[in-house]
Amino acid sequence: DTAVSQTPKYLVTQMGNDKSIKCEQNLGHDTMYWYKQDSKKFLKIMFSYNNKELIINETVPNRFSPKSPDKAHLNLHINSLELGDSAVYFCASSQGGAGVHNEQFFGPGTRLTVL
Amino acid sequence: RKEVEQDPGPFNVPEGATVAFNCTYSNSASQSFFWYRQDCRKEPKLLMSVYSSGNEDGRFTAQLNRASQYISLLIRDSKLSDSATYLCAVGQGFSFIFGKGTRLLVKP
Repeated sequence: DTAVSQTPKYLVTQMGNDKSIKCEQNLGHDTMYWYKQDSKKFLKIMFSYNNKELIINETVPNRFSPKSPDKAHLNLHINSLELGDSAVYFCASSQGGAGVHNEQFFGPGTRLTVL
Repeated sequence: RKEVEQDPGPFNVPEGATVAFNCTYSNSASQSFFWYRQDCRKEPKLLMSVYSSGNEDGRFTAQLNRASQYISLLIRDSKLSDSATYLCAVGQGFSFIFGKGTRLLVKP
């Protein structure tokens, strides 16, 4: 019954590797997001997609490439991982954008550790 | 000026106390406002949306002051289970900006 799911939950990898994180929502929402929460717990938006189209790219390095095969999925591929990429990555979804009732629902997060 | 600011705390309060958090935002064109709760090593979970007229949900009351560009959250009769980090979020278009969170510790 999980509304927003992410895999994997934990990811430990070496610098320079390429990795992907998958996200799926079964809420029927049309907008999905990726957030990064760093060690200082600051939650920062990276991307938002509406109806599979990229709407927001918050000056994220182009090593990060999101892909939305359909409205229910938003995956994140990261090339050439760096130490500074270590963080928790949250996927979220909402119906529409930042309107009054358009609350976001978050996935459980993927804890990425780059060694 | 940072876009969304919160006092990081921690706020240490006894059970049964009333505690209030404020959150200021810099973009006057912001459209929507929310309070989220985040437990340690968990995802943020929506606590409540904040409406222009203010709104209440049980022990929680949220208010919006557009003129002064802040939102507030009041928790009455604090429970041990209220211990968490409270994040405010401000939305515009398809972007949401979160504050860094205020940590609340409710003690017996």
